[in-house]
Amino acid sequence: AQKITQTQPGMFVQEKEAVTLDCTYDTSDPSYGLFWYKQPSSGEMIFLIYQGSYDQQNATEGRYSLNFQKARKSANLVISASQLGDSAMYFCAMREVVFGNEKLTFGTGTRLTIIP
Amino acid sequence: ETGVTQTPRHLVMGMTNKKSLKCEQHLGHNAMYWYKQSAKKPLELMFVYNFKEQTENNSVPSRFSPECPNSSHLFLHLHTLQPEDSALYLCASSQDPQLGEKLFFGSGTQLSVL
Repeated sequence: AQKITQTQPGMFVQEKEAVTLDCTYDTSDPSYGLFWYKQPSSGEMIFLIYQGSYDQQNATEGRYSLNFQKARKSANLVISASQLGDSAMYFCAMREVVFGNEKLTFGTGTRLTIIP
Repeated sequence: ETGVTQTPRHLVMGMTNKKSLKCEQHLGHNAMYWYKQSAKKPLELMFVYNFKEQTENNSVPSRFSPECPNSSHLFLHLHTLQPEDSALYLCASSQDPQLGEKLFFGSGTQLSVL
């Protein structure tokens, strides 16, 4: 079963509009962490935002915010006022402890293209 | 400038060749990782090193051999690879492999096996 599901393989958004990238996850562990990474064409994975399973408030980092709905097991990334430089692949990831070992599981990603 | 540097950026090798990928981190981190990124597949964790000790081998074939001589350097030795091993190989580091620690990635080595 997929641990992390990103249902949008590609998205096109007009510059300056807000965009929501979907992510749902599956775990039975009460303690876990959720991450979003950005991968531009250069290949490097860039950390964007983190949400802990016990965090009471949704995480925010500048133009990025994470819409964390624990009961629905969703952790959508919201980018406000999109810019051309936001065009990239975006990966949702979950960190959990499996048999005493840390595991970071990634989704298949969403390719975001910002249109001028 | 990224704190995690990978060389080479691109590598083409035959199935009988032996090559090595190098990763160096300048962040003072204690944990280092190798990930494989294939087209249209999620990133796959290959190896984890914590304080130079291998703590994870995610059922990786023996034709991939990691080496971590110190906490700043990580190698991936390759021999007798298969065409399906062609992928982007990403190195990452973190302060330690704790639940909330974010990973810092390099730009990867794009490997093509002919």
